[in-house]
Amino acid sequence: EDKVVQSPLSLVVHEGDTVTLNCSYEVTNFRSLLWYKQEKKAPTFLFMLTSSGIEKKSGRLSSILDKKELSSILNITATQTGDSAIYLCAASGGGADGLTFGKGTHLIIQP
Amino acid sequence: DSGVTQTPKHLITATGQRVTLRCSPRSGDLSVYWYQQSLDQGLQFLIQYYNGEERAKGNILERFSAQQFPDLHSELNLSSLELGDSALYFCASSAQTGSPLHFGNGTRLTVT
Repeated sequence: EDKVVQSPLSLVVHEGDTVTLNCSYEVTNFRSLLWYKQEKKAPTFLFMLTSSGIEKKSGRLSSILDKKELSSILNITATQTGDSAIYLCAASGGGADGLTFGKGTHLIIQP
Repeated sequence: DSGVTQTPKHLITATGQRVTLRCSPRSGDLSVYWYQQSLDQGLQFLIQYYNGEERAKGNILERFSAQQFPDLHSELNLSSLELGDSALYFCASSAQTGSPLHFGNGTRLTVT
């Protein structure tokens, strides 16, 4: 059965800190790894990673995939209170188009 | 705004009842996905439709069914509702296989 595991489940840091969120996956016929940010409503797309070792960057957020280790990390530098959210990792593969999601990391940024 | 529209936003109903959730995908997207999100299970893939045809099935109960219409909107039907069906139901759409999914704001279902 396809599985995506995220750690930590919850993280509380102070504004300005740097955080690293982890994701590991076991997915047959793996195609890509995606990161989403979920605040109060819909998950919003952040990154899609298909190649190992190539960092994707968007402002203070960056992510990289390690296909050898079947894992990915999401880094957020100089955190702000607006970064508080649940960060979801998902993997595609397994012969279907649907994504397998992890349970998310609940990130809280304290002022 | 993702461009994916879901109605209604909230639904409260009693056990044993049947409800229909509606989703309009982003303009041009042929694939529609349904997900269930509960506190303990996270986001669970239910079913996918592509251009009117069922494409993939996930953890969808037999009491649940879905369809995608010629105008590409989709409906998720939940019947014989149980307390445990209370959850947030998301619809997502994508342009093609391998493209990121874009999610609607969800329908919060409460079964009392």
